[in-house]
Amino acid sequence: EAGVTQSPTHLIKTRGQQATLRCSPISGHTSVYWYQQALGLGLQFLLWYDEGEERNRGNFPPRFSGRQFPNYSSELNVNALELEDSALYLCASSAYRGENTEAFFGQGTRLTVV
Amino acid sequence: QKEVEQDPGPLSVPEGAIVSLNCTYSNSAFQYFMWYRQYSRKGPELLMYTYSSGNKEDGRFTAQVDKSSKYISLFIRDSQPSDSATYLCAMSTGGFKTIFGAGTRLFVKA
Repeated sequence: EAGVTQSPTHLIKTRGQQATLRCSPISGHTSVYWYQQALGLGLQFLLWYDEGEERNRGNFPPRFSGRQFPNYSSELNVNALELEDSALYLCASSAYRGENTEAFFGQGTRLTVV
Repeated sequence: QKEVEQDPGPLSVPEGAIVSLNCTYSNSAFQYFMWYRQYSRKGPELLMYTYSSGNKEDGRFTAQVDKSSKYISLFIRDSQPSDSATYLCAMSTGGFKTIFGAGTRLFVKA
């Protein structure tokens, strides 16, 4: 069974540009969670999608947005990139709707803003 | 004060040593306690999952939860170089919101 997959693995963007990150959850999982992992800060919750809807978002500005497609894959968009957006962006999926105590993570997308 | 505190390390031990990793927390409503292992350039993988207080053992790994002290631990027996990774504690009241510690970097020297 394939795990959570993310693309691209690495992304380099210039300040002010837009970045699009993609995630495919484990087959059968309907919930997708996005996290930002900046150096020394641990995982910060960004967004939760379930059944195609945004269910909750963390304490991030509106330029962080996304969507979930009918096949439950998801996209994270970051507009007007700032240098401090440089981080590892992780996607996770869970078999239990609305509960991510046993979450499965992808390998992440390393975003570098220069 | 952060909801979850975790010493970032690094922690360096010789092969075969017993490793103790710890986290403290402030929210008494946390009921679910997890430990994730994250290798360099990889996503976190769930290592141990505990509900409420008590101990849980899985091979060389033991997770302990002391809710009265708001303190959780992960013990690794007979540590191996392959255990070298960052270990993240995580906690939840249930539901979608899981709070992660910043992670402790562990190095096991051969």
